[in-house]
This record gives sequence, C-alpha cells and structure tokens, in this order.
Amino acid sequence: GENVEQHPSTLSVQEGDSAVIKCTYSDSASNYFPWYKQELGKGPQLIIDIRSNVGEKKDQRIAVTLNKTAKHFSLHITETQPEDSAVYFCAASSFLNNDMRFGAGTRLTVKP
Amino acid sequence: DGGITQSPKYLFRKEGQNVTLSCEQNLNHDAMYWYRQDPGQGLRLIYYSQIVNDFQKGDIAEGYSVSREKKESFPLTVTSAQKNPTAFYLCASSIEAWGLAGKGRDIQYFGAGTRLSVL
Repeated sequence: GENVEQHPSTLSVQEGDSAVIKCTYSDSASNYFPWYKQELGKGPQLIIDIRSNVGEKKDQRIAVTLNKTAKHFSLHITETQPEDSAVYFCAASSFLNNDMRFGAGTRLTVKP
Repeated sequence: DGGITQSPKYLFRKEGQNVTLSCEQNLNHDAMYWYRQDPGQGLRLIYYSQIVNDFQKGDIAEGYSVSREKKESFPLTVTSAQKNPTAFYLCASSIEAWGLAGKGRDIQYFGAGTRLSVL
C-alpha cells in the first residue's frame, strides 16, 4: 500500500520568510495530492491540491509542486504571516485502490 | 450553511462503556469517513462508507463499529473492546464515491473533531 513521509516535523520561520514542506510517496499509482491545514482543536481544512497531470499549482501565497518521477511533492508558502501557524498535512490518493494516506504532519510556527 | 457537524466536542468514557460519536453532513456527499488522530501521527482510517447501508473497514477498525442508515449521518461507536480509545476523532466526507468518474477518494471536508478521553 501507499506510504507517505513528511518532512520536517517542525518548522519555525520569521514572518515574511518562505516555508517549504516536503512529502514523498511510494505508490506510483497515486494521482491526487492534497494539503491540509489544521489549527489547534479543529479539523483539517483543504488548502490546495494537485493532480498527477500537472507539475505545479499556485493559489496566492501557496503553491504545490509535484515530481512524479521522484515521487515527491512540496508545499511552498511565501510571505508567511503569524496566522499561517498551524499543523500541515500532506496526503496521497489513488483511484485504483481507493486509498488515501496522510503524512505525519508539520507544525509550522511563524514568528512575528 | 453547509458542512460537517461532529458532536460532542469532548467526550469521556468509563472503562467497559461504549460511546457513540455523531457525524452529520448536509453537503449531499455520498462517501463518509472516520479517522483517528494521535499526537505526532498522521490520520489513520477507521471506517468508511461509500453509500447508504454500506461501509468498509479501514486500517484500524478493531474495537469500533459504524452504521450508515441515512446519507447524512455516519455515527461511530467506540466499544469497550477498544483498549486505547484516547484520541482526536475526525469525520470527513467526499463528493465522489469510489468508482464514480474514476475520481477516487477526494476528501475535501472534515468536521471539527471529537476529543475522546478515558476516565
């Protein structure tokens, strides 16, 4: 089955700097890669996703890149703000086996 | 205002007791899911349901049970057989069920979670 590894587990940046979180996956059949943001005591919220037919997707300060050959994808947050502080999860999903696997999460802290 | 509602927000279980966590959605989604979240770990799938009156075990179904009598509702029971129930439980739903349009499991909506503790 699919295995998703996420790094780093914690990340601290200064306000205005960029933050990058990386994930690798094992199942070459995976074709959908969402990213979720989870604030303390709340459920995860989908912030951006990418499908295997594209290599990059941007939404304002957030971007996701996908390298299918290397089986890794990354979340990029530019011009970070204190409200970006949260736990971020990546996931990988394949419609062939109807399975979605989550990374262990990255706790991002943005210092004002 | 559409979404997924989980209740209660906090729940305490006594030893030997069964407790039920509620999950309701008004998004008209076919598929619903239950995940368990432990500190420092990713979400692990307990059960999922692709359609009313049907559900499948996930990776850690032992000690849990579910029902799907209505499209809107997918309650999770934590039975006394679950020896380590303390965790944060998340319900989710997706617009496309498995096999439809080849989309697979695109989870877009999570509930706010229920934190279960043992007394």
